[in-house]
Amino acid sequence: DGGITQSPKYLFRKEGQNVTLSCEQNLNHDAMYWYRQDPGQGLRLIYYSQIVNDFQKGDIAEGYSVSREKKESFPLTVTSAQKNPTAFYLCASSIDLYGGLAGDEQFFGPGTRLTVL
Amino acid sequence: DAKTTQPTSMDCAEGRAANLPCNHSTISGNEYVYWYRQIHSQGPQYIIHGLKNNETNEMASLIITEDRKSSTLILPHATLRDTAVYYCIVRPPLGGTASKLTFGTGTRLQVTL
Repeated sequence: DGGITQSPKYLFRKEGQNVTLSCEQNLNHDAMYWYRQDPGQGLRLIYYSQIVNDFQKGDIAEGYSVSREKKESFPLTVTSAQKNPTAFYLCASSIDLYGGLAGDEQFFGPGTRLTVL
Repeated sequence: DAKTTQPTSMDCAEGRAANLPCNHSTISGNEYVYWYRQIHSQGPQYIIHGLKNNETNEMASLIITEDRKSSTLILPHATLRDTAVYYCIVRPPLGGTASKLTFGTGTRLQVTL
């Protein structure tokens, strides 16, 4: 089955540690995205990538880093510089970044809930 | 990005139609209206999108007013599994900029027996 996978579903880390969240898609999508969601809030864009070896900062990139070495993978690292890292993290992908055509909607993974102790 | 306004919450009886409104009075002529929903602790799920004309698919119908300043998502026969937060999103214009989605707080739809 085609889709997006995120692992693990729940992740616990001590304060001050970097942690990397995985995101893999087998949809052959060019564009990938990382969002953060806090309780009772909408999604906020952290980083996005149009194509391999390219990525851009979203609205709340401070304290995060990403890489896009392979088309199917877009890992997110939450660094110790992120002041409030505890949140629900969602990865998404779409056919391409500039879309607007029918069927270019974003497909979301199941999310990773990160708790920093 | 155009801003959307949605009611915070709505209730609907199972089997009845759920009509979820969205105001987007500052929408530009080439911006699309998208609807997603998010069931608790899961990733959002795409429902439907449209530009000017009304749209229908296997999940829902989207009614966009002629002036495009508002729209309504219709779930024709709501079930308990439709209980979720529904997000109305206006997608930025095409070309030259990333088609980023800006999620607001959405409408929490509670379907009851």
